[in-house]
Amino acid sequence: QLQLQESGPGLVKPSETLSLTCTVSGGSISSSSYYWGWIRQPPGKGLEWIGSIYYSGSTYYNPSLKSRVTISVDTSKNQFSLKLSSVTAADTAVYYCARHPFTISRMDVWGQGTTVTVSS
Amino acid sequence: QSALTQPASVSGSPGQSITISCTGTSSDVGGYNYVSWYQQHPGKAPKLMIYEVSNRPSGVSHRFSGSKSGNTASLTISGLQAEDEADYYCSSYTSSSTLVFGGGTKLTVL
Repeated sequence: QLQLQESGPGLVKPSETLSLTCTVSGGSISSSSYYWGWIRQPPGKGLEWIGSIYYSGSTYYNPSLKSRVTISVDTSKNQFSLKLSSVTAADTAVYYCARHPFTISRMDVWGQGTTVTVSS
Repeated sequence: QSALTQPASVSGSPGQSITISCTGTSSDVGGYNYVSWYQQHPGKAPKLMIYEVSNRPSGVSHRFSGSKSGNTASLTISGLQAEDEADYYCSSYTSSSTLVFGGGTKLTVL
């Protein structure tokens, strides 16, 4: 059964870069049938799509975050990663990674989420 | 891109039916049959309940159904149960090849 697990620092200082990795187990990230994405949820607020990537490296980003976001994939490690630069307190959130089957229109498997706090 | 519009809260008694609306534009909800619905219990990851407007993933109860008319999609839960109490989010693919979520709806089972 496919599982996704987020990992990375739980605390990031303002103006620095947030870096998270999602490890895929029980399946191959190189499957042509899937995209892989990042979604976040600030405390007490709703879901926000950050961006998604195909195993070939094609990326899709939320326009409101595009200037600060980089999503990459490492097929040799079956992982994909998120980098968000110049973070502020507004970037404090639970960050989820997820799988998109066939198109980025839906997410059918999610990681458990990891909390990232931006604070000095 | 602007978030899709959902009611902040809805409520219903056990056994009743409720409907949650999700309003967008012709560039997202109205332009594609790529509307999804997610259920999220407190402290848990979201769970896909409906995709492509009205399709249920394997394992999702038949009590959950989806539809769309124009720029508004809807999620209907029939035979309401206590376990249905959760937050519900819609999402849609957009003409910019992006994904947008609704603000979320808190469902209370009275």
